[in-house]
Amino acid sequence: DTGVSQDPRHKITKRGQNVTFRCDPISEHNRLYWYRQTLGQGPEFLTYFQNEAQLEKSRLLSDRFSAERPKGSFSTLEIQRTEQGDSAMYLCASSLQGPKEKLFFGSGTQLSVL
Amino acid sequence: GESVGLHLPTLSVQEGDNSIINCAYSNSASDYFIWYKQESGKGPQFIIDIRSNMDKRQGQRVTVLLNKTVKHLSLQIAATQPGDSAVYFCAEEGNTGKLIFGQGTTLQVKP
Repeated sequence: DTGVSQDPRHKITKRGQNVTFRCDPISEHNRLYWYRQTLGQGPEFLTYFQNEAQLEKSRLLSDRFSAERPKGSFSTLEIQRTEQGDSAMYLCASSLQGPKEKLFFGSGTQLSVL
Repeated sequence: GESVGLHLPTLSVQEGDNSIINCAYSNSASDYFIWYKQESGKGPQFIIDIRSNMDKRQGQRVTVLLNKTVKHLSLQIAATQPGDSAVYFCAEEGNTGKLIFGQGTTLQVKP
């Protein structure tokens, strides 16, 4: 399967713990996006990379959130000192560079903070 | 600000009928729109896109219509099948190049 891959699929953690998610985009895609989705809502943009450069971060992305894409391939999203409000599906998507390129999504990581 | 919304949270149709899912957007500067389908436990799956220089685009059993005058987008699914049951999102590309999603319409197909 050459689609967008996310790991883990599910993560349960206790409040205050740190968690890290991984995303492997489609290999020829140089743009990578992170979105968050809560139940019944559409995905909300968090941040995106073009190659290894993080070009934009949403105001939703508090200081506890950090994303990296060190070699312009896979990306990680870390949440420090998790809160119950962080419980959501974290979606990764990738696309080719350029305007009006469709995003291809992974299956997401479902985070539950107890 | 940018916002994208769908008119109905749930749409129930009989198998074999045509489905129409509607979406309203507020940013008149948006020039690219995508419809996604999301099944339970999965990420959104691309269905069809349309650029603002078009008012209609057809795919396999799906058609997207864009009315820029009233900032309205619709997705038509012909001969709806049980496998079409899912949540459908419209998304709009704003001037920053990122997609803004609406809240979604749940399509239920009755056998």
